[in-house]
Amino acid sequence: DSGVTQTPKHLITATGQRVTLRCSPRSGDLSVYWYQQSLDQGLQFLIQYYNGEERAKGNILERFSAQQFPDLHSELNLSSLELGDSALYFCASSVGTTGAYQETQYFGPGTRLLVL
Amino acid sequence: GQQLNQSPQSMFIQEGEDVSMNCTSSSIFNTWLWYKQDPGEGPVLLIALYKAGELTSNGRLTAQFGITRKDSFLNISASIPSDVGIYFCAGFTSGNTPLVFGKGTRLSVIA
Repeated sequence: DSGVTQTPKHLITATGQRVTLRCSPRSGDLSVYWYQQSLDQGLQFLIQYYNGEERAKGNILERFSAQQFPDLHSELNLSSLELGDSALYFCASSVGTTGAYQETQYFGPGTRLLVL
Repeated sequence: GQQLNQSPQSMFIQEGEDVSMNCTSSSIFNTWLWYKQDPGEGPVLLIALYKAGELTSNGRLTAQFGITRKDSFLNISASIPSDVGIYFCAGFTSGNTPLVFGKGTRLSVIA
């Protein structure tokens, strides 16, 4: 158990809908990262938050957004869903030393999203 | 973006055999991480390497940070059935760049 929790574990929805995925980082970790894993693309970095502020952005679509709350949990919002958004979405966390972008990350169990 | 070439893509081995997989890049990396992912689960960190030439073990697993800083390998000795899964290499290049993952090595162990 990495100490990172994610809910829900599974999500089935229809095209055009909006969903919210939730992540709680390990106790004490300030940085949260979101990744998408699909069969043909491997693990793709989406976005990073550090202590409530956006830190780095990867291949995140404009239909997707995220935020980190004062209690450090994070939510990933996916809207106008398309069939191709079906994937595993992982959250990871790291200690989050100020100014250090490159820290070892610990992953949650993931949310499996199926868009029908 | 940055690319990590991980090989082999998949392996079928007999229980008790040793396994070796590697990761290469055209860019210099300053951190290498090895993760294992079981079906339906998140990647679990196995070994972290921070220095060129570093050789680190975790039980039956040994990983090395290549001297050129462009490669890393992972060895598993005396494989057992629970070693089955997908092994990912990942790393950071210099600068404020996100973690980059290889496409994984799928390991199957035949009892």
